[in-house]
Amino acid sequence: EIVLTQSPGTLSLSPGERATLSCRASQSVSSNYLAWYQQKPGQAPRLLIYGASSRATGIPDRFSGSGSGTDFTLTISRLEPEDFAVYYCQQYGSSSYTFGQGTKLEIK
Amino acid sequence: EVQVLESGGGLVQPGGSLRLSCAASGFTFSSYAMSWVRQAPGKGLEWVSSISNSGGITKYADSVKGRFTISRDNSKNTVNLQMNSLRAEDTAVYYCAVRGYSYSFDYWGQGILVTVSS
Repeated sequence: EIVLTQSPGTLSLSPGERATLSCRASQSVSSNYLAWYQQKPGQAPRLLIYGASSRATGIPDRFSGSGSGTDFTLTISRLEPEDFAVYYCQQYGSSSYTFGQGTKLEIK
Repeated sequence: EVQVLESGGGLVQPGGSLRLSCAASGFTFSSYAMSWVRQAPGKGLEWVSSISNSGGITKYADSVKGRFTISRDNSKNTVNLQMNSLRAEDTAVYYCAVRGYSYSFDYWGQGILVTVSS
């Protein structure tokens, strides 16, 4: 099973700042099968990025994804108040899906 | 508009059974795989099971293999999760999700709580 490790666990930033979230895999992941989600309290997760770098429908262009192999990054170029939430990466490989443990993005 | 709605959750005793249902609309249901993902209280996301668009291929997390069974009815646009031999550690919010072509979970239901406790 591929283990995804996200860092940092908590990221404290102010609106308007740039956020960089990391997702590292225990072995190489196909870029086609790496996704990012946003989850707010009491809500279901929402798909942000699929295929490592493609934005899902309706996702603002301040969200971008990059990376390959074992290292992937979600970048939020300029934080809006509604962006403070928990973010998860997810991969598919060897007939199984795994999620990272999440990064909490909080207001500083 | 894609809509996904889970039902069937509740309180069940350890060793008991529960059947979750998921009704989907707003897309060509028979063209997409469907999945269940759960989230224990205060914890992260855990994939549980997936079923191919035709229903011919099913996959399970090791933690539920042999206890849970996923099925679908393309004539009714529904997917079910039969959960047997439930354990306390199965307590979670269960989400039904539409699995996209890039093996991401593109659309999610609001989730349904399953509590396993005596």
